[in-house]
Amino acid sequence: RKEVEQDPGPFNVPEGATVAFNCTYSNSASQSFFWYRQDCRKEPKLLMSVYSSGNEDGRFTAQLNRASQYISLLIRDSKLSDSATYLCVVNLGGSYIPTFGRGTSLIVHP
Amino acid sequence: GAVVSQHPSRVICKSGTSVKIECRSLDFQATTMFWYRQFPKQSLMLMATSNEGSKATYEQGVEKDKFLINHASLTLSTLTVTSAHPEDSSFYICSARAGQSSGREQYFGPGTRLTVT
Repeated sequence: RKEVEQDPGPFNVPEGATVAFNCTYSNSASQSFFWYRQDCRKEPKLLMSVYSSGNEDGRFTAQLNRASQYISLLIRDSKLSDSATYLCVVNLGGSYIPTFGRGTSLIVHP
Repeated sequence: GAVVSQHPSRVICKSGTSVKIECRSLDFQATTMFWYRQFPKQSLMLMATSNEGSKATYEQGVEKDKFLINHASLTLSTLTVTSAHPEDSSFYICSARAGQSSGREQYFGPGTRLTVT
């Protein structure tokens, strides 16, 4: 089992749709969690950190469920510009090494 | 967010030559820097972790004598691909993190696209 697993993609949604991604992690001692987005042939950019209490930034909401060992990202009112690959990153407990999921591709169409 | 630069953005070199890639944190001190490689349509693969002033820690399967990493200051890390071969052609990305705490996010450089002919 991979340490960090993400929903298989691609997700193909119309503009205005709400879409949710999940990411599961295997190490229960994991300490910190992030969502990044990566556009084609570009570097990943931090989208948001994920806090235990959950956090929201505009149309984006991230949640953490430690009991079930997953994090989620909800995007409301999808825009064409949201099309990208969304990467789940977990800093595993016991080390400070970030581990990436393989990413979920989102395609928002008109 | 914090800014990380990477240079060069693109390089083409001949097989057998060495290539140096620089990664700089411009507005913060990066105690830890990471080097990744990404092949087309694949996920980021961590190559090594480097902490300022100490030797880099390489991931399994990454040859430390081929991929030389130096992190001499809190704002600069370099990756040298020695005796490059066509199979080393890839997108190399660095990232930097302020502090060793695992709670800190990392910021990525824009990447270097290496083509070995």
